[in-house]
Amino acid sequence: GAVVSQHPSRVICKSGTSVKIECRSLDFQATTMFWYRQFPKQSLMLMATSNEGSKATYEQGVEKDKFLINHASLTLSTLTVTSAHPEDSSFYICSASFEGTGGNQPQHFGDGTRLSIL
Amino acid sequence: AQSVSQHNHHVILSEAASLELGCNYSYGGTVNLFWYVQYPGQHLQLLLKYFSGDPLVKGIKGFEAEFIKSKFSFNLRKPSVQWSDTAEYFCAVKGSTSGTYKYIFGTGTRLKVLA
Repeated sequence: GAVVSQHPSRVICKSGTSVKIECRSLDFQATTMFWYRQFPKQSLMLMATSNEGSKATYEQGVEKDKFLINHASLTLSTLTVTSAHPEDSSFYICSASFEGTGGNQPQHFGDGTRLSIL
Repeated sequence: AQSVSQHNHHVILSEAASLELGCNYSYGGTVNLFWYVQYPGQHLQLLLKYFSGDPLVKGIKGFEAEFIKSKFSFNLRKPSVQWSDTAEYFCAVKGSTSGTYKYIFGTGTRLKVLA
């Protein structure tokens, strides 16, 4: 159980293109979804937290207009990298959690998306 | 500042050796603690978690971790590693501030087990 599907797994596109990454919880309802960025040999850096039906909470230093997050349903969140540039190339990972009372639920991770901007 | 520190970046062990990976955190409020594992080519998976109660937590595949509040530590242990334990291990802290939960991950430890 607790499967999170992230799509696509790899994207290569030209500078200036907008790229959309989908994150779906397949067998549970995800009240909260998280988007991370991972640089080579570094830890996961939380970009934003999104709760279904409300605006995402972005971490300091993450541009809201650059990384658009939509969490329209309990099973789907999307991250759109707008007008992507080479410096946006990275590994993006989503995770989903069902936050019941007490907030003691773990995250379940997708496989990640390798984004390469030429 | 909130942070998670994993002291060992790379660990190489022979099969049957004992393992201990260090994790220290800095967080002012109540925390939940996790260890995640990422096997080559796979996504992050939960190994074990601590929320409350017995500070010695047992997880999957023979792993355990001990929460020592006074030391702000949550070290991961396994008495006898196997080749299949080769993976990257991440310690994570989930803390609550004003009702908002936030996860912070350590930089990870790459474990290589030699057959």
